[in-house]
Amino acid sequence: EAGVVQSPRYKIIEKKQPVAFWCNPISGHNTLYWYRQNLGQGPELLIRYENEEAVDDSQLPKDRFSAERLKGVDSTLKIQPAELGDSAVYLCASSPRTGVAKNIQYFGAGTRLSVL
Amino acid sequence: DQQVKQNSPSLSVQEGRISILNCDYTNSMFDYFLWYKKYPAEGPTFLISISSIKDKNEDGRFTVFLNKSAKHLSLHIVPSQPGDSAVYFCAARGLDSNYQLIWGAGTKLIIKP
Repeated sequence: EAGVVQSPRYKIIEKKQPVAFWCNPISGHNTLYWYRQNLGQGPELLIRYENEEAVDDSQLPKDRFSAERLKGVDSTLKIQPAELGDSAVYLCASSPRTGVAKNIQYFGAGTRLSVL
Repeated sequence: DQQVKQNSPSLSVQEGRISILNCDYTNSMFDYFLWYKKYPAEGPTFLISISSIKDKNEDGRFTVFLNKSAKHLSLHIVPSQPGDSAVYFCAARGLDSNYQLIWGAGTKLIIKP
């Protein structure tokens, strides 16, 4: 079974430029999460989707960040314009809605963003 | 306001000995706790979990202990192996925060041969 796939793995941009990250969750997983992880810290939730509905976006900086999961499968996270403080690793995770594994989040390898 | 704290940034343990990683939390509304392991350039990988109604859960070399009165969680790895060298994150799920996972800052475990 394929895991959570994220692309690109690395991205270097200049400040004020836009950037987008893509995530394909594990097949059959209804719930999708986007996290941001700064160096030396744990992941911080940005947004959680149940199918195509964003059910928790309280920590998404909506002035510059946006996300979508149009068909309830893969998802895109966008930053426009990027700021120096956005440099971090952006992680995508997914989990099933039911079953023993519903309490576990499965992570992709992440996208490391550097804003210059 | 850190609700989940891992106070040891790093820990060094001899191969074959026991590794004990600690995690403290402040929110009594946490109902589920998880440990994840992370290798460099990879995403976190689930290791073991425990419900707040239990005080111990074991899976092979890994055991998680929960002391609710002390709001303390620990992960025991025995015996420790070189492949266990990684960063370990403690995470807690909150009933009062839409079941969001709150993460500690991680502890880097180094297993010495």
